[in-house]
Amino acid sequence: DAGVIQSPRHEVTEMGQEVTLRCKPISGHDYLFWYRQTMMRGLELLIYFNNNVPIDDSGMPEDRFSAKMPNASFSTLKIQPSEPRDSAVYFCASSLRSGLAGANFGPGTRLLVL
Amino acid sequence: DQQVKQNSPSLSVQEGRISILNCDYTNSMFDYFLWYKKYPAEGPTFLISISSIKDKNEDGRFTVFLNKSAKHLSLHIVPSQPGDSAVYFCAASTGGGSEKLVFGKGTKLTVNP
Repeated sequence: DAGVIQSPRHEVTEMGQEVTLRCKPISGHDYLFWYRQTMMRGLELLIYFNNNVPIDDSGMPEDRFSAKMPNASFSTLKIQPSEPRDSAVYFCASSLRSGLAGANFGPGTRLLVL
Repeated sequence: DQQVKQNSPSLSVQEGRISILNCDYTNSMFDYFLWYKKYPAEGPTFLISISSIKDKNEDGRFTVFLNKSAKHLSLHIVPSQPGDSAVYFCAASTGGGSEKLVFGKGTKLTVNP
């Protein structure tokens, strides 16, 4: 298995532009998570899905952020409009419902908003 | 309000010695704890976990200890190897699974040859 795949790996954009981050989870995993990592706040959960349904989006910082999971093999995290404070590394992760195995993380998308 | 705290941002040890990474939590509802390792430019990778019904879990050179009364857990690496140099994150969740993990800010471990 290729693991969790994220694209793009790096994104540089200007303030006000729309940014779309993409994720392909591991086949068969029924949970998908979006995390953000910043120096100030560390790794924080933004939203997670179970069987393509959003379960908890309480970590989404503002209405400028939205996430979708149209099918079991694809998810997007969109920021519109983007702001410099959105600069961070965004991780997608997937997992099976299990008490023994942790979530598998993708390599992350490093976003820089100028 | 940090529910999971790793108070040491960095730790340096000699190869072959024991590395002890510490983690404290405040939410008594946490019942599942995990450690992740992260190399630069990669995502975190799962290392080891422990359920609140146990106080120790071992996997090769890695052992996690849980002290529920103190709301404290630690990761022991024996013997430490240079390849263990990475950032280690402690994480916790409720419900016994990996949903909604709350992470600490990480401890950067450097193992010197």
